[in-house]
Amino acid sequence: NFMLTQPHSVSESPGKTVTISCTRSSGSIASNYVQWYQQRPGSSPTTVIYEDNQRPSGVPDRFSGSIDSSSNSASLTISGLKTEDEADYYCQSYDSSNEVFGGGTKLTVL
Amino acid sequence: EVQLVESGGGLVQPGGSLRLSCAASGFTFSSYWMSWVRQAPGKGLEWVANIKQDGSEKYYVDSVKGRFTISRDNAKNSLYLQMNSLRAEDTAVYYCARDSYGLIWGQGTMVTVSS
Repeated sequence: NFMLTQPHSVSESPGKTVTISCTRSSGSIASNYVQWYQQRPGSSPTTVIYEDNQRPSGVPDRFSGSIDSSSNSASLTISGLKTEDEADYYCQSYDSSNEVFGGGTKLTVL
Repeated sequence: EVQLVESGGGLVQPGGSLRLSCAASGFTFSSYWMSWVRQAPGKGLEWVANIKQDGSEKYYVDSVKGRFTISRDNAKNSLYLQMNSLRAEDTAVYYCARDSYGLIWGQGTMVTVSS
């Protein structure tokens, strides 16, 4: 089994850009799609990125995803930060028999 | 509109059993993999189990293997999680989720394992 490691927290000011990383411990990050979920306090998670870099309908294009094979990591980038983006963000991927979530990153917009 | 409504959570003693249900609507249930994901109080998300469209493949996180069983009834548009030999560390909100283009989540049901 593999692990996905995320920073515990990040913070940035409104209007700025922030990037959250997600590093896969073993196996290639490119071998299985990565998803990203947003969870606001008291709410269920919602998908903001699927299949590495695809946005569901309704998710603003301020949200983007990418993968970097050299660092074996995925990234979620949020540009033009708004206070409503303040939430926990989780990456998720899988292998042949398991799905794995990262530990989550708390984004503070201050 | 896709809807997933979990039920069956509650307070149970260690060693006890509980059966969670998830009622699906707004999509063709039999066409999708389905998952259970849990979140302990103040903690992150943990995948628990998933099941193929026809129920022929099922996978579990190591910590619940042999204790939990995922199943589905496509005629009733329902997903289930039978939880036996419950432990304190199973205390969490349990989410039902549809697996496609990322997960689509229900609102969750709380399971508390305590004496």
